[in-house]
Amino acid sequence: AQSVTQLDSQVPVFEEAPVELRCNYSSSVSVYLFWYVQYPNQGLQLLLKYLSGSTLVKGINGFEAEFNKSQTSFHLRKPSVHISDTAEYFCAVSDSGGGADGLTFGKGTHLIIQP
Amino acid sequence: SQTIHQWPATLVQPVGSPLSLECTVEGTSNPNLYWYRQAAGRGLQLLFYSVGIGQISSEVPQNLSASRPQDRQFILSSKKLLLSDSGFYLCAWNFDRYYEQYFGPGTRLTVT
Repeated sequence: AQSVTQLDSQVPVFEEAPVELRCNYSSSVSVYLFWYVQYPNQGLQLLLKYLSGSTLVKGINGFEAEFNKSQTSFHLRKPSVHISDTAEYFCAVSDSGGGADGLTFGKGTHLIIQP
Repeated sequence: SQTIHQWPATLVQPVGSPLSLECTVEGTSNPNLYWYRQAAGRGLQLLFYSVGIGQISSEVPQNLSASRPQDRQFILSSKKLLLSDSGFYLCAWNFDRYYEQYFGPGTRLTVT
């Protein structure tokens, strides 16, 4: 079975500083990878996805992520954060070869932007 | 374009009372449908998923059940709520189990 590890449960960052949210997955097959954002008391919103092609993926709100197959990682980055980026961020993976599990989500990283 | 609705948005229910949460998807047909729960400060827990009318798979044994009476309608139910059923319930859909899911706005359930 797949697993997703989000290494940090909380990441405090000052406004306008860069941020990286880490995500590692365990899978021996090809994968699809996703990042979601959840604002308080709202559903999850898709930030970006990697299905194939370029390993650098750009998403909404200025976020990007890089797929690193050798390190089984899909870290999320933003060069300059804003107060409005305060939210919970979830990494998710699925087996593109059609494994039975569908999407597997990490436990989330709470991004806290400090003024 | 597709939209997903959930209601009610918030619900406060006493222990032992029944529950019915509804999720509907517009603008698509034959979606896969999912129910998740988020307990306070925790991640997503997949409760049920459905690939078609009347087809329900349960991921976690509990006092909850799900039904899919119509193609784009997914209902989460309980006959008797427990305190531990409190949480944020999310419905989601997708076309293919291995691609991105699209989430509804959620229902905040408080069992008192």
